[in-house]
Amino acid sequence: AQKITQTQPGMFVQEKEAVTLDCTYDTSDPSYGLFWYKQPSSGEMIFLIYQGSYDQQNATEGRYSLNFQKARKSANLVISASQLGDSAMYFCAMREGPSGGYQKVTFGTGTKLQVIP
Amino acid sequence: SQTIHQWPATLVQPVGSPLSLECTVEGTSNPNLYWYRQAAGRGLQLLFYSVGIGQISSEVPQNLSASRPQDRQFILSSKKLLLSDSGFYLCAWSVRDSNQPQHFGDGTRLSIL
Repeated sequence: AQKITQTQPGMFVQEKEAVTLDCTYDTSDPSYGLFWYKQPSSGEMIFLIYQGSYDQQNATEGRYSLNFQKARKSANLVISASQLGDSAMYFCAMREGPSGGYQKVTFGTGTKLQVIP
Repeated sequence: SQTIHQWPATLVQPVGSPLSLECTVEGTSNPNLYWYRQAAGRGLQLLFYSVGIGQISSEVPQNLSASRPQDRQFILSSKKLLLSDSGFYLCAWSVRDSNQPQHFGDGTRLSIL
């Protein structure tokens, strides 16, 4: 079974509108972390936001927020006030187990977001 | 601040030739280091990780190998490249014993002819 599922291969959003990118995960470990990365066409992976499984509040970083619904095992990324520079691939990722010497992270297949002027 | 350098940015190699991709991290000590491969339009596949000098673990058996000769240096190698080795290779580091995210280099686009 897929550990990280991103069901939207591609999304369009109008500039200045908000957009939600979906991510569901599968783990039986009580301690885990969820990440979102942005990959522009140039290829580099840019860390956006992190949510720990024990965090009580949803993570926010500027225009990015993570809608964490633990019971539903979902960790959707919300981008507010979309900008043309937000056009990129977005990857959801999960680290299972407590932080330790080795941090194995599983990535989803990504969602390609295109912002329309 | 910490930085990660990866080179070369682009590489075109014939089938059967050797490979050496290098990654170095600055501004931190004892990092976890990782090599990933990304096929076109796909997610990331973990190839190797290292928690210390000389300590390499392989996630996917293949004709690639990795080495960590120094604390902040991670090298991906092959003796004989295959067509299937084409892809985008990313090096990453993370702080050991923490829940902080992995940080990636700019990647190497490898094309095998």
